[in-house]
Amino acid sequence: QKEVEQDPGPLSVPEGAIVSLNCTYSNSAFQYFMWYRQYSRKGPELLMYTYSSGNKEDGRFTAQVDKSSKYISLFIRDSQPSDSATYLCPLPSGAGSYQLTFGKGTKLSVIP
Amino acid sequence: ETGVTQSPTHLIKTRGQQVTLRCSSQSGHNTVSWYQQALGQGPQFIFQYYREEENGRGNFPPRFSGLQFPNYSSELNVNALELDDSALYLCASSPDRDIGELFFGEGSRLTVL
Repeated sequence: QKEVEQDPGPLSVPEGAIVSLNCTYSNSAFQYFMWYRQYSRKGPELLMYTYSSGNKEDGRFTAQVDKSSKYISLFIRDSQPSDSATYLCPLPSGAGSYQLTFGKGTKLSVIP
Repeated sequence: ETGVTQSPTHLIKTRGQQVTLRCSSQSGHNTVSWYQQALGQGPQFIFQYYREEENGRGNFPPRFSGLQFPNYSSELNVNALELDDSALYLCASSPDRDIGELFFGEGSRLTVL
């Protein structure tokens, strides 16, 4: 089983929609969780970072972690065309938790 | 505050050649990681450097090597290039080695013919 599984996408939504992006993971030892956004032909950009279960909000973005279910989600409210990107939910691995394991990501298109 | 910068942005090599990619880390960051991202795939960890020493390595052959300099900038060297080495090579810096918050550069896109 892969360490992180992500909704394969692609996902296409109209502008203003609420978007839900999801990842599941297999290793219960993970202590922190991240979402990265990657625009086409650019490097990934850290979007959200959280240590604990529950919700973390930042503007239109909410990250939700459910450690008991090993499930992490990213919600985007009032989605904008500028949110069109690939979203990645890497998980830390390696002895020092410094190595990030990425899935393929979910490609989101927000249609004006 | 200057972000992570990488050079060159694009380059084309032929099979068997060698390539060096360069990265300047974000100000105040002492740790640099390198990732390879093939088209349509997520980034894959190559290795990490912390204070000029390799601090961990992913599943890449020895022909992938690196350096970190006293100013924390870094190089990735790939020898005996293969067609499958064609990818976007991403450098990421972080404030310390045990922190997963990575700040990525724009990448160097390598094409091997």
